[in-house]
Amino acid sequence: AQSVTQLGSHVSVSEGALVLLRCNYSSSVPPYLFWYVQYPNQGLQLLLKYTTGATLVKGINGFEAEFKKSETSFHLTKPSAHMSDAAEYFCAVSESYSGYSTLTFGKGTMLLVSP
Amino acid sequence: GAGVSQSPRYKVAKRGQDVALRCDPISGHVSLFWYQQALGQGPEFLTYFQNEAQLDKSGLPSDRFFAERPEGSVSTLKIQRTQQEDSAVYLCASSLDQGVGTDTQYFGPGTRLTVL
Repeated sequence: AQSVTQLGSHVSVSEGALVLLRCNYSSSVPPYLFWYVQYPNQGLQLLLKYTTGATLVKGINGFEAEFKKSETSFHLTKPSAHMSDAAEYFCAVSESYSGYSTLTFGKGTMLLVSP
Repeated sequence: GAGVSQSPRYKVAKRGQDVALRCDPISGHVSLFWYQQALGQGPEFLTYFQNEAQLDKSGLPSDRFFAERPEGSVSTLKIQRTQQEDSAVYLCASSLDQGVGTDTQYFGPGTRLTVL
């Protein structure tokens, strides 16, 4: 079974500062990796995903993530935080079976943005 | 709106009651997933449907949990004789294709179940 570890249950940044949310995965095969964001009382929304090809993936709202196979990492970054980025962020890996795939999520990181 | 919808959004049940949670996926989506999200945790897989066929129910915590998708569209997650440990947010997601690993899963807003 695959697993995802998100380092830090809470990350606090000031508005305008760099955002870095860490994600490490374990997978016996080349992984498909996802970042989702969850705003209060809402479902999860896809930020970006890595499937194959370019290891630097750009997503919505100015976020990007880099797949590093040697480090088994898929960290999420944003150069300048906005107040509206305050939410919970989940990293996930796709786990494949015969004819279908499911997602295995990390425990999430709550991003707090202060003025 | 063309997103995934779930009802009810909030459900309070007394211990021992049966509950039914509904999911309306995006029209035409083949795959439908249910996840359970406990407080402070990430979503955990419960069950997967491909059209009307339930291909995986390995994540269902006990035989008190039952899911169906009889016509390959709307799905219902039923929990019998609810227990306090069933309190969680139940998320439904759908994807266009047959669950290929690169597919994007689109999530509904969830149903928050509180068992007293």
